[in-house]
Amino acid sequence: AQSVTQLGSHVSVSEGALVLLRCNYSSSVPPYLFWYVQYPNQGLQLLLKYTTGATLVKGINGFEAEFKKSETSFHLTKPSAHMSDAAEYFCAVEVYNQGGKLIFGQGTELSVKP
Amino acid sequence: GAGVSQSPSNKVTEKGKDVELRCDPISGHTALYWYRQRLGQGLEFLIYFQGNSAPDKSGLPSDRFSAERTGESVSTLTIQRTQQEDSAVYLCASSSPGTRSNTGELFFGEGSRLTVL
Repeated sequence: AQSVTQLGSHVSVSEGALVLLRCNYSSSVPPYLFWYVQYPNQGLQLLLKYTTGATLVKGINGFEAEFKKSETSFHLTKPSAHMSDAAEYFCAVEVYNQGGKLIFGQGTELSVKP
Repeated sequence: GAGVSQSPSNKVTEKGKDVELRCDPISGHTALYWYRQRLGQGLEFLIYFQGNSAPDKSGLPSDRFSAERTGESVSTLTIQRTQQEDSAVYLCASSSPGTRSNTGELFFGEGSRLTVL
């Protein structure tokens, strides 16, 4: 079975500081991995995805994530946090051969302090 | 509309009543998904529709839950005899087929918040 685990349900950073949100996956096949963001009172929005090819993927709003097979990780980073980054972030893995169905992690709520 | 539309946005009901939630996917998207998001928890897969194929109902928590989809159009999620533990935000998403196993971006609606008293 495939799964993802997000370490830390709440992360707080200061504006301008590095953002690091952790995600580890479990998969017996090469995984397709995703990060989604949910701003307050809004639906989820795709930040970035890894399917094949380059292991460092760049997404919207300055976020990027690196697929590390040896560490079974797909951590999300942003060099400098902005107040508008405050939201809930979900890591997800696509279930193999089940038509695009995603399994989501528990989510990490990011707070940005001025 | 341009995005996934869900209604109602908020629903308060009494325990034991039936509720129906509606999802209008993006035009042309053949895949439609329902997820449930309980307070403080991640997204829980409920059901998936792809074109005319039999739906994947593996995530439905009990036989009180059912969903239908008319062709590649609107879907309704029905919860019968609601219980307090059904209180959650129900999210709908749609996507268009990609390459390996439909790897397309999921586009989510804003959800229907259900509160069962």
